[in-house]
Parts: sequence; structure tokens; C-alpha cells
Amino acid sequence: DTAVSQTPKYLVTQMGNDKSIKCEQNLGHDTMYWYKQDSKKFLKIMFSYNNKELIINETVPNRFSPKSPDKAHLNLHINSLELGDSAVYFCASSFSYNEQFFGPGTRLTVL
Amino acid sequence: DQQVKQNSPSLSVQEGRISILNCDYTNSMFDYFLWYKKYPAEGPTFLISISSIKDKNEDGRFTVFLNKSAKHLSLHIVPSQPGDSAVYFCAASGTSGTYKYIFGTGTRLKVLA
Repeated sequence: DTAVSQTPKYLVTQMGNDKSIKCEQNLGHDTMYWYKQDSKKFLKIMFSYNNKELIINETVPNRFSPKSPDKAHLNLHINSLELGDSAVYFCASSFSYNEQFFGPGTRLTVL
Repeated sequence: DQQVKQNSPSLSVQEGRISILNCDYTNSMFDYFLWYKKYPAEGPTFLISISSIKDKNEDGRFTVFLNKSAKHLSLHIVPSQPGDSAVYFCAASGTSGTYKYIFGTGTRLKVLA
């Protein structure tokens, strides 16, 4: 009965590879987000989708591409991974602009 | 430019005492504030929120105070319990209806038994 789930929980990969992180929410929310928490523990928003439409697109390299096949899913695809992409990525969802419910995070390590 | 700041990276409190976590912001357009709690290897969990039309909001042991003139909010936990040991993040959003929240860097609270 997990509310917001992410897969995988850990991801270790080589520089230059392409990888995807999947997120699903079963809360019936209409808005989903991707956040990045870097080594300094800053939690920064990357993207947000409302009813499958992109509404927030922060200054993120275009190697990062979100995809929302439906309101319950928001996936993050990263091309040509770089060392600086190593971080914990959190998916979140909300009903409209209310408080957000976070997934457990995906720890990405780029070697 | 960090618009939401939590200047105390860590705080230790004895069980049963009050924990006070502070948060400062610079953007006067922020009008909705939230606190989240985060345990290791888990995502942040929503705790309590406050709108700028209020200066206090209470939920059980948790109370958030907002001082708009000082651009400062604080989270009070009374009484503190060992299970409260976690990292606490404050977050702010501006102009009601925006989906974008700016998070602080967090304060690690340790409640000593």
C-alpha cells in the first residue's frame, strides 16, 4: 500500500550511460515532481507535471527528460550520465499545490 | 542564492524538553510554509504547514510560528521524544497557487533519552 514508490532504490552506473528512474503514486494526486538532493543536502525541484502537463522545468541539463504516461506515473530518463549527476533523486506527488508526499528516493552513483 | 535558510545544521535536546527549529526566508512573496521530517533512507514526510494569514498553527506536539516582519518561522516540538530524531526541512512557496516549493538545507534533531 505504498503511496509513492520509486524504482530502483539504488543505481550505480558508469559515466556516459543512459538510465531511467520510475515513479508511481497511488494517492490519486494530479501533480508529480522530481527533486534532486545533492551532497550538500539541498533539495531542489527539477520538474513538475500537473495532469500530465509539464508545469515546472527548472534549469536542468537537457540530458534529463521527464515523461508522464499518465497521472499516476512520472519517470526520469538521464542520458550521458556525468559524475555530477550523483545524488539522491526524490519523486513526490500532491493534490494541486498542497503539501507533497515523497517517495523513498533513488540514490544514483555515477563512477 | 538560498532563499530559505536553516542556519543550525544540528540540534540536540533532552527527551521531554522543547525542541525549537528555526527557518529564515528572504523572499517577501512567500506566503505558504511547510515543515517536513526526514528519516535516513526515506523520503521527507509532511509534518505541518502555515499560511501567511496566520501566525501560529498547532497539531498535537507540533506548533509552527510565523513572524512575517522578521521573515522567520519556527517549529516547536513539545515534549520531544526519541522518535523525533530526524532531519527537519522547512519549505516555502510564493503566491498562492504555485507548485514550486523552495526547501531549506535541513536541521538534524537528536533527542537524547
